[in-house]
Amino acid sequence: EIVLTQSPGTLSLSPGERATLSCRASQSVSSNYLAWYQQKPGQAPRLLIYAASIRATGIPDRFSGSGSGTDFTLTISRLEPEDFAVYYCQQYGSSLHTFGGGTKVEIK
Amino acid sequence: EVQLVESGGGLVQPGRSLRLSCAASGFTFDDYAMHWVRQAPGKGLEWVSGISWNSGTIGYADSVKGRFTISRDNAKNSLYLQMNSLRPEDTALYYCARDMGSSPTHDAFDIWGQGTMVTVSS
Repeated sequence: EIVLTQSPGTLSLSPGERATLSCRASQSVSSNYLAWYQQKPGQAPRLLIYAASIRATGIPDRFSGSGSGTDFTLTISRLEPEDFAVYYCQQYGSSLHTFGGGTKVEIK
Repeated sequence: EVQLVESGGGLVQPGRSLRLSCAASGFTFDDYAMHWVRQAPGKGLEWVSGISWNSGTIGYADSVKGRFTISRDNAKNSLYLQMNSLRPEDTALYYCARDMGSSPTHDAFDIWGQGTMVTVSS
């Protein structure tokens, strides 16, 4: 099983600032099969990024994903008020999907 | 409108069984693999199980293997999760999610339901 470790656990930033979230895998993620999701309180997760760097339909271009192998990054270029949420990475390159523990982006 | 609606959750005693359902609408159900993902109160996401479009490929997390069974009925546009020998640690909100592809591996989950809560307690 591939273990995903997200850091930091909590990111305290102000609107307009840049957010950089990390996801590290315990072994190489096949074909960059890595996704990022956003979850707000009381809501289901929403797909932001798949295949490490492809934005899902309707996702603003302030969200970008990068990385390969074992190290991946989600960047939010300028935080909007609606971006404060919990973010999860997921690998789907093996038969056992796994999620990271999440990074909470909170208002400073 | 593309939609997934889960049902069947509730309070159940340890060791008992429960069957969850997920009704799909607004898309061609048998074009897609489907998954169950759970979230314990205040915790992160955990993939539970996935099934291919034709039920030919099925996978389970180690934590539920041998106790849970995923299935689908394409004629009814429905996904199911039969949960047996339930444990307190199975307490969670259970989400149904659509895979972007027809196989339960190699694609992310692009549509999610709102979830159904399962509480295992005596």
